[in-house]
Amino acid sequence: SYVLTQPPSVSVAPGKTARISCGGDKIGSKTVHWYQQKPGLAPVLVIHYDTDRPSGIPERFSGANSGNTATLTISRVEAGDEADYYCQVWDGSGLLVVFGGGTKLTVL
Amino acid sequence: QVQLQESGPGLVKPSETLSLICTVSDDSFSSFYWTWIRQSAGKGLEWIGRIYSTGNTNYNPSLKGRVTMSVDTSKNQFSLRLSSVTAADTAVYYCARDNSGTVPHFDNWGQGTLVTVAS
Repeated sequence: SYVLTQPPSVSVAPGKTARISCGGDKIGSKTVHWYQQKPGLAPVLVIHYDTDRPSGIPERFSGANSGNTATLTISRVEAGDEADYYCQVWDGSGLLVVFGGGTKLTVL
Repeated sequence: QVQLQESGPGLVKPSETLSLICTVSDDSFSSFYWTWIRQSAGKGLEWIGRIYSTGNTNYNPSLKGRVTMSVDTSKNQFSLRLSSVTAADTAVYYCARDNSGTVPHFDNWGQGTLVTVAS
């Protein structure tokens, strides 16, 4: 089945830019969605359809998807952005949803 | 704002069947796919499957035929049954709305319910 690979952790200083990658075979041909999950809470959709922000999500969050890598970028990182982030696609051949393993974002 | 609420036993014995219900406040309940996702302690998200209002389903093959989902549109509810559970099925179980049946993604989630498998 389709596999999504994320780095286990990313660290960034406040005010800087965080980039979280999500690797997969020809992932650029798929549609990627991103979720933020804070401890004890349900995930929240922060990017859908590769690049679009749902209502209420700050403009600091952006997405890109090309080739074998999708990327979630968080600009001007704040302490409140510290969370786990998951990428997700639909595997049309296997007819199932696939999540990446998640990346823990630490704000230094 | 769409609201989802999971309900069901928090403790299930090994080899028995886990049963959960998700109650949804959404006037458009019949227009969406509805999904179950779980998360073991300290682990990532695992998609269990989804169901449409017509009863059409897709399940995660990794659960090897142990999953059954059903829907009751008169009550705006959908349910999950997972049979022959083991300790590996201990997790927080979330129900969620699939915003697009053709490009599945989840824009509304329940708060999650912890199910522990133990004797």
